[in-house]
This record gives sequence, structure tokens and C-alpha cells, in this order.
Amino acid sequence: NAGVTQTPKFQVLKTGQSMTLQCAQDMNHEYMSWYRQDPGMGLRLIHYSVGAGITDQGEVPNGYNVSRSTTEDFPLRLLSAAPSQTSVYFCASSYSGTGGAEQYFGPGTRLTVT
Amino acid sequence: AQSVAQPEDQVNVAEGNPLTVKCTYSVSGNPYLFWYVQYPNRGLQFLLKYITGDNLVKGSYGFEAEFNKSQTSFHLKKPSALVSDSALYFCAVRDRDQAGTALIFGKGTTLSVSS
Repeated sequence: NAGVTQTPKFQVLKTGQSMTLQCAQDMNHEYMSWYRQDPGMGLRLIHYSVGAGITDQGEVPNGYNVSRSTTEDFPLRLLSAAPSQTSVYFCASSYSGTGGAEQYFGPGTRLTVT
Repeated sequence: AQSVAQPEDQVNVAEGNPLTVKCTYSVSGNPYLFWYVQYPNRGLQFLLKYITGDNLVKGSYGFEAEFNKSQTSFHLKKPSALVSDSALYFCAVRDRDQAGTALIFGKGTTLSVSS
């Protein structure tokens, strides 16, 4: 199993550009989520999905869109990049979004917006 | 609302000494509690979790954590630290009694083990 994979690993954008961060998992997990990690802020939840076709907002959803057309994939779209979106983005998955299911994390995407 | 506090930004210990990384939580119901570790330029790795039962939970790499309901704490411990334990550690909580709630992370504690 590859686990949770993310592409690209690094990305530099100019303000106003859009892009999609890719996330895929091969563990048949129902629950997937996106976090951003900023120094001193821990991980903050952006969006999450409890299954194909179902998504919801997390703590910091503004400026980001998601969709979940398949169980495996959960892309994160930046609509119009801003310097405040410079961060490290992590995708995670688990067999359930409730209970004691631990999440498995991808290696992250380091995004810089200039 | 759920929250997690890790009161120490950094913990420094000498190799071979015991280590403790502190975590306190707040949930309206009962908690599920987790510890994750992050090595430089890597994603988070699951270490251990508390679901129910024994308050002392054992996890990967010799780590353990003790759930204390009265103090709302879930401190991470290891009897003898290794230099290779140096990393960023995150505590996380989910409210057991509220369906569909997200996993909330603390801000992280950097553990530095010196040789």
C-alpha cells in the first residue's frame, strides 16, 4: 500500500493564481481531510469528507474548495492564491471520521505564495 | 467546543533520562485522545491513542501515555529518551459523545534530546 500520497511536494504561486493540491489514498478509507500547518499554530482543519460526494468545512475553509467524486481522491483547490495561504498542507485519511480511528497522513505539500 | 493545550513549546532532556510531554484537553463529552509525532519535512505519524479502558496506553517506539480524567490530561512519557526521539509531538482530541466532530490538534511540542 502506498498509503496517502500528495502531489506536488513543493509549489510556488503568484498572488491570484489558482491551483489544485492532489491527495489520494489506497486504503479504502471513508474519511479524508485537509489540514494546514503553520509555525506555532499546530494543524488546522480546512475541509473534510465523510465519504464520496459528501464534504464539509473545517476551521479555516475560506479560499479553498474541495470535492470528493471517488473514495480514493480528495483534491484541494485554491481559488485565488494569497500570501496568507503560504503554508504546509497535509492530507489525511481514516476508516471513519468518528470514534477512535486514527488518521494516516500524507507527506505534505509546501506552498509558497508570492 | 473542543480544544487541546500543549503548555510547553519545547522540552529538552538528556539521552537516557525519562521524558514527559504534556497535554490537557477540553471536550463537552468524553474524549478520544491521540498522540502523533512529526519528524522534519515529514507527515505526522500515529503514536498511540486512548479509547477506553486502561488509563495507561502503550504505543510505538516505547512511548506511553496516561489518561487522567479528573485532570483532563493525557501526558506522553518514555522511561529513557533517545536522540532519535527528537521531533515535534502533537496531541489531538475528538469528542466521543458528539458524532461527526473533527480531530482537533494542539500546537505541538518540540522535543530535543541531547547526547
